[in-house]
Order: sequence, then C-alpha cells, then structure tokens
Amino acid sequence: DVKVTQSSRYLVKRTGEKVFLECVQDMDHENMFWYRQDPGLGLRLIYFSYDVKMKEKGDIPEGYSVSREKKERFSLILESASTNQTSMYLCASSRRDSNQPQHFGDGTRLSIL
Amino acid sequence: SQKIEQNSEALNIQEGKTATLTCNYTNYSPAYLQWYRQDPGRGPVFLLLIRENEKEKRKERLKVTFDTTLKQSLFHITASQPADSATYLCAPNTGGFKTIFGAGTRLFVKA
Repeated sequence: DVKVTQSSRYLVKRTGEKVFLECVQDMDHENMFWYRQDPGLGLRLIYFSYDVKMKEKGDIPEGYSVSREKKERFSLILESASTNQTSMYLCASSRRDSNQPQHFGDGTRLSIL
Repeated sequence: SQKIEQNSEALNIQEGKTATLTCNYTNYSPAYLQWYRQDPGRGPVFLLLIRENEKEKRKERLKVTFDTTLKQSLFHITASQPADSATYLCAPNTGGFKTIFGAGTRLFVKA
C-alpha cells in the first residue's frame, strides 16, 4: 500500500519565520505535488515535481519554494511566513503517467500567528 | 479560465438510498476525470477514473458517468451507508501533470 508521510500534522509558526514542510513517499513514484486546501476553494496546486531536482510552478507558487533532492522526498518551504499562508497543506505522489491517481498524505495544518 | 463546480451545499440522504453527486466543468475538455473521497482531517483517497471515451464506469456500489457534451460527471453511490459519509471531490484532467480539483460535496448518510 502506498504511503505518503507528512512530517507534522499540526504546526504553529510566527510571521516572518522560514517554515519547512516535509513529505516522504515509499512507492518510488516519479511525481510529487504540494497543495493547499482552504474551505470553499478546493485543492490548489502550489508546486509539483516530475523528477529529482525538477520542479514546476502550480497555480499559487508565490511565497513558496520547493526542493527535491531525493526521489522519495519533496519539501515545501515558506520563505517568510505570512498569516495568509495559514492553511491545510497536502502532499501527494503518483506514477509518471498523468492519468495515474494521486496518493495523498494526511496533511499538515499550519497556523501562522 | 478553467472552472469546476460541485454542489457546495451538503447532501443529506437516508441509509439505503442512492446518493448522486454532480460535477460540472467549463472552459476545457478533460481527457479523463477522477473522483476522490476525503474524510475530515485526512487526505483525499482515489476512488475511480473515467476516460472521455467511456460513458460509465462501475466499482462495487459506485457508478460514475461522464458526459462530454454536457460537460458533466455524475457520481452515484447505491445502497448508501453511514460509512459513506464524507466529502467527494471530482478532478478533471486534460492529460497534463496539473489536475484541477473541485471544492467537493459533503455527503451525510443518516441511519
């Protein structure tokens, strides 16, 4: 069974801090994704990666960066956290083909004070 | 811009009835469409994928239809159970890496 593990379920940080969210998958998937989920807005894609060291911007990349140094790990970085980045962050992975289902972690609920 | 609409209001039905959820999309032509289930505090879980050349797909008590003329997908759960209570997300995809997810419809099945 595919397992996508996010490092924290809940996280509280202060405005201006640099925040790291970590995601690890154990199924050797090529693709990895970072989303944020807000009430009424659905899942919005921040960044995705289709290979090690490769990344593509999603719909809302501003204020975020990502790192993929190893195939199984995809990190989301909030360079200088702001209160409007308070949200649920979900990581997902999938096989290379675009029609493959995405497997999600259980999310990190991030609060920026 | 590409847009997906799912009923924002929750759907309440009685156990044993068929639940029908709607997904409408505009301004693009997806090659396939996925449905996911999300429980509170958990990530979405993949349920079904239907391709543009398929009218209908079934899996146990689940049935999905895909009407490319109406730009609509319907998701049915027959003989619904309280355990089916969750939020259901539709996700049309044009074939690229970027999948657009709807905001989801919350389903409550009462015993």
